[in-house]
Amino acid sequence: GENVEQHPSTLSVQEGDSAVIKCTYSDSASNYFPWYKQELGKGPQLIIDIRSNVGEKKDQRIAVTLNKTAKHFSLHITETQPEDSAVYFCAAMARGSTLGRLYFGRGTQLTVWP
Amino acid sequence: DTEVTQTPKHLVMGMTNKKSLKCEQHMGHRAMYWYKQKAKKPPELMFVYSYEKLSINESVPSRFSPECPNSSLLNLHLHALQPEDSALYLCASSQDGLAGGNEQFFGPGTRLTVL
Repeated sequence: GENVEQHPSTLSVQEGDSAVIKCTYSDSASNYFPWYKQELGKGPQLIIDIRSNVGEKKDQRIAVTLNKTAKHFSLHITETQPEDSAVYFCAAMARGSTLGRLYFGRGTQLTVWP
Repeated sequence: DTEVTQTPKHLVMGMTNKKSLKCEQHMGHRAMYWYKQKAKKPPELMFVYSYEKLSINESVPSRFSPECPNSSLLNLHLHALQPEDSALYLCASSQDGLAGGNEQFFGPGTRLTVL
C-alpha cells in the first residue's frame, strides 16, 4: 500500500515569515494530493490539492508543488499569520484505488508567533 | 455548500451503553466515510459507503456498526465500547468514491469519551 512521510512534525515561524511542509509518497500510481488544515477541536479542512498532471498550484498565500519523478510534494505558506497555526496533514490517493482511500502523513504542528 | 454536519458534538457513554453518531451531507455526494482520530494522529479510515453500500470495513470491531439509510445520511451505532475507543470520530463525503481522486470534505467530528 501507499506510504506517506511528512516533515517536519513541528514548525515554528514568526508572523510574516514563510512556512514549508514536505511530504513524500511511495506509490507511483498516486495522482491526487490534498492538504488539510485542522484547528484544535475541529475537523480537517481541505485547503488546497493538486493532481498529477500539474506541477504547482496557488491559492492566495498558499501553494502546493509536486515532483512526480521524486515522488514528493510540498505546501508553502507565505506571509504567515497567527491564524495559520494548526496541524497540517498531507495525503495521497491513487485513481482506481480502493474507493477513494486517502493515505495521510503524520501531520505537522505549525505555530505562528505574533 | 461544502458542509458535512455531525451530531452530537460531544458524547460521553459508559461501556454498557448504546449510542449513535449521525452524519449528514447535502452536496449530492455518493461516497461517505467514517474515520477515527486519536490525539496528535492522522485520521484512520474505518468504513466507506459507496452508493449506500458498505464497500470498505477496515477490520473494525463489531461494537461499531455503520448504517447508511440514504445517500445523505450516515450513522455509526456504538455498543459495548471500551475506554480505548475514546477519540474524535469524523465523517467525510466525496462526490464519487469509485472514481477516486475526488475531494473529501470532513465534518467537525464527534468527541467521544467512553468511561
